[in-house]
Amino acid sequence: GQNIDQPTEMTATEGAIVQINCTYQTSGFNGLFWYQQHAGEAPTFLSYNVLDGLEEKGRFSSFLSRSKGYSYLLLKELQMKDSASYLCAVRDPRDNDMRFGAGTRLTVKP
Amino acid sequence: DVKVTQSSRYLVKRTGEKVFLECVQDMDHENMFWYRQDPGLGLRLIYFSYDVKMKEKGDIPEGYSVSREKKERFSLILESASTNQTSMYLCASRSNSNQPQHFGDGTRLSIL
Repeated sequence: GQNIDQPTEMTATEGAIVQINCTYQTSGFNGLFWYQQHAGEAPTFLSYNVLDGLEEKGRFSSFLSRSKGYSYLLLKELQMKDSASYLCAVRDPRDNDMRFGAGTRLTVKP
Repeated sequence: DVKVTQSSRYLVKRTGEKVFLECVQDMDHENMFWYRQDPGLGLRLIYFSYDVKMKEKGDIPEGYSVSREKKERFSLILESASTNQTSMYLCASRSNSNQPQHFGDGTRLSIL
């Protein structure tokens, strides 16, 4: 079966750093994706990890440990516009489709 | 940039009606997907298609069907709409398996 877990809600302060965790238990693994979704809008792609380690893209970084079934998304220098839901998704090699977690709603406060 | 266009942002229909949700992508992607998104449940896959006239059931296909007559268009059909199908519906497309999915803006469907 597929099980992808992430916290439901998080709150952080503008200018701070926040780490959003994702743990997964899936039948197979062919990459992990992070998406950002603002309220009422489509999810937009943030990052992709298929090998262990850290991928950095500006203020956003994503880490993967395949042996632990664990990933995190790190957001630095938080801005108000970073208030959104962050979706963790794992690609299943059996059908090449992605399975999504329920999402973490991040609120950035002044 | 990839553009995935869904025909309606908001739609209100009645129980028992046949409902069509249309999705078009402009990047010649082979793979297209329909999800529904509900609070606390995240994105759940309804159907996907990896080629014209091909379709595969996702995790929650009951009550839905799909059509892929042309590569750029993937339609979701609610044969007889029910109130539990009130949801946000998201279409997505992608090329090969290492690429991310690109999503449309979503259709918020209400069944009364």
